[in-house]
Amino acid sequence: GEDVEQSLFLSVREGDSSVINCTYTDSSSTYLYWYKQEPGAGLQLLTYIFSNMDMKQDQRLTVLLNKKDKHLSLRIADTQTGDSAIYFCAEIRGAGSYQLTFGKGTKLSVIP
Amino acid sequence: SQTIHQWPATLVQPVGSPLSLECTVEGTSNPNLYWYRQAAGRGLQLLFYSVGIGQISSEVPQNLSASRPQDRQFILSSKKLLLSDSGFYLCAWKTGEGLFFGSGTQLSVL
Repeated sequence: GEDVEQSLFLSVREGDSSVINCTYTDSSSTYLYWYKQEPGAGLQLLTYIFSNMDMKQDQRLTVLLNKKDKHLSLRIADTQTGDSAIYFCAEIRGAGSYQLTFGKGTKLSVIP
Repeated sequence: SQTIHQWPATLVQPVGSPLSLECTVEGTSNPNLYWYRQAAGRGLQLLFYSVGIGQISSEVPQNLSASRPQDRQFILSSKKLLLSDSGFYLCAWKTGEGLFFGSGTQLSVL
C-alpha cells in the first residue's frame, strides 16, 4: 500500500467542521505537514507538527497526532467556501532526511 | 525576504521538443531544492533533489534531467518530451519548517 494514505474526497457544508485524515507507516517520522493546493496553484504550507507533540492549534486549524496508530488529522473549524482545495499530508522520515513523502491528497468541497 | 520563483506558469509543447523549466530562490543561501511532478488525479512524485551546486539526486528514472548551475538556481530539462511528461511541475525549497513551493508550471505535451 501507499506509505502515506488519505481519503480522496470530502464534502462538507459551509459553517461545519471538516476533518481530513491521514495515516503514515514510518514510525521514525520526525515532522508531519499539511499542505493546501488551490486549483492551478502551487502547494501552500498550512501547518506542521513535530512528532513529539499530540496536538497543535492555529486559528481555525487543529492538528491531532496519534503516534501509536500513526494517524494524523486536520480539523478546519467553521469551514468556508475559500477552504475548498486539495489538502496533502506529508512526512519527513528520520533525522536529517531531505525528502518529504506526500499522500495523494484529499479534495475538500465546501457546499454553500 | 525569502521567495521562490518558477516559470513559466503554463507551457504547451509538441512531442519530441526540448524542455527547460527554471526555478530560482531568493533570500537564502545553499538551499535544498526539489522538483516534483503532479500528474492529473495523482499525488506528488519527487523527481529530483539537490543539496548544492552540481549535486543532483534522481528519484525516478525517466525522460527528464535536472541541473544546479548556481546556488539558487535549479533547472528541469528534457531533450525530447513524451506525452507522459504532461503534468504540473513544482519546484520547492526546504527550510527548517518544511518545503515551500513555487507556483508551478502546467506542462501539456501534445
